[in-house]
Order: sequence, then C-alpha cells, then structure tokens
Amino acid sequence: NAGVTQTPKFRILKIGQSMTLQCAQDMNHNYMYWYRQDPGMGLKLIYYSVGAGITDKGEVPNGYNVSRSTTEDFPLRLELAAPSQTSVYFCASSNPGHWPSGNTIYFGEGSWLTVV
Amino acid sequence: DAKTTQPPSMDCAEGRAANLPCNHSTISGNEYVYWYRQIHSQGPQYIIHGLKNNETNEMASLIITEDRKSSTLILPHATLRDTAVYYCIVRVAETSGSRLTFGEGTQLTVNP
Repeated sequence: NAGVTQTPKFRILKIGQSMTLQCAQDMNHNYMYWYRQDPGMGLKLIYYSVGAGITDKGEVPNGYNVSRSTTEDFPLRLELAAPSQTSVYFCASSNPGHWPSGNTIYFGEGSWLTVV
Repeated sequence: DAKTTQPPSMDCAEGRAANLPCNHSTISGNEYVYWYRQIHSQGPQYIIHGLKNNETNEMASLIITEDRKSSTLILPHATLRDTAVYYCIVRVAETSGSRLTFGEGTQLTVNP
C-alpha cells in the first residue's frame, strides 16, 4: 500500500491564481481530510469527507473547495490564491469501522504552497 | 471532543525514557486518548491510543490515570530520531471522522 499520496509536493502560486492539490489513498478508507499547518502552529482542519459524494467544512474552509467523487480521491481546490494561504497542506484518511484501531488517521507527506 | 493540555516543550537525554504528559479533565466515557507525533516537515504519524487500560506497542507505552483525566506517553529509550512535536488527542473511536483537532502539542527534543 502506498498509503496517502499527495501531489504536488511544492508549488509557488501568484496571487489570484487557482490550483488543485491532489490526494489519493489506497486503503479503502471512507473518511478523508484536508488540514493546513502554518509555521510553528498546529494543524487546522479545512474540509473533510465521510464518503463519496459527502463533504463538510472544518475550522478554516474559506478560500477552498473540495469534491469527493470516488472513495480514493479527495482534491482540494484553491480558486483565488491569497498570501494568507501560504502553508503546508496535509491530506489524511481514516476508517472508523476498523476495530480496535478504528479512526486511526493516516497522513500524507504534505504539500508546500507559497502564494506570492 | 475533549480539550487537551500539554507542555509546550520538553528535553530528554538520548537513551533515557521520555515521559510526555497530557491533561484531558473533560474527557467523556466513550472517548479514547490518541497520540501522534510530527517529525519536522513530515506528516503526523500515529503512535498509540487507549481507553482506560495502559497500552504498549513497539513504539511507546501509554499510561492513563484511573480517573482518565490525564495520561502519559512513554518513549522508553529515546533516540535522536524521536525529536518531534507530540500531539495528544481525545476523541470517540467508532464514529464521526470529523473535527479531529490538533492542539499545539509538545516539542520533544532528544539531546545527545
């Protein structure tokens, strides 16, 4: 298993540009998440999904959009990039139905985004 | 999910045990204690979790007090590669994949 795979690993965007961060998992997990982490800070939840076709907002959803058309993929879309979106983005997945390790969350390696 | 409190930083000598505390005084009966760590520039990594009994795996031990209001993660023989931010999280295990909230964690520095 590759686990959770994120692309790209690094990206520089100009203000106002759009881009999509890709996330795929091969563990057949129902739940997927997008977090952002600013320097020296903890992780903040942007969006999450409990299954294909179902998404919901986390703590900091403004400026982002997501979709979940398949169990495996959970892309994060930035429509109009702003400097405040400079951060490291982590995708993650879990499957609460697995017991007793249920709801252990597995993270990707991160995507470093700079908006200039 | 219950709120947790951790010290912002700790130091440990290489080869010694690292004991990382976590307070979770508002924990509910069906909430588990999870520990993750984040080595610099990497995605967080699952370490261990428990409900009320002490737990041990190949990475660490988890000691939960009888009243469940606090816990301690123990790395029995810390190495330099254990230098990381350690997060204590309290949440329900079975359902609700939502709002897993990471606090600021404890920066553990293992010194030679």
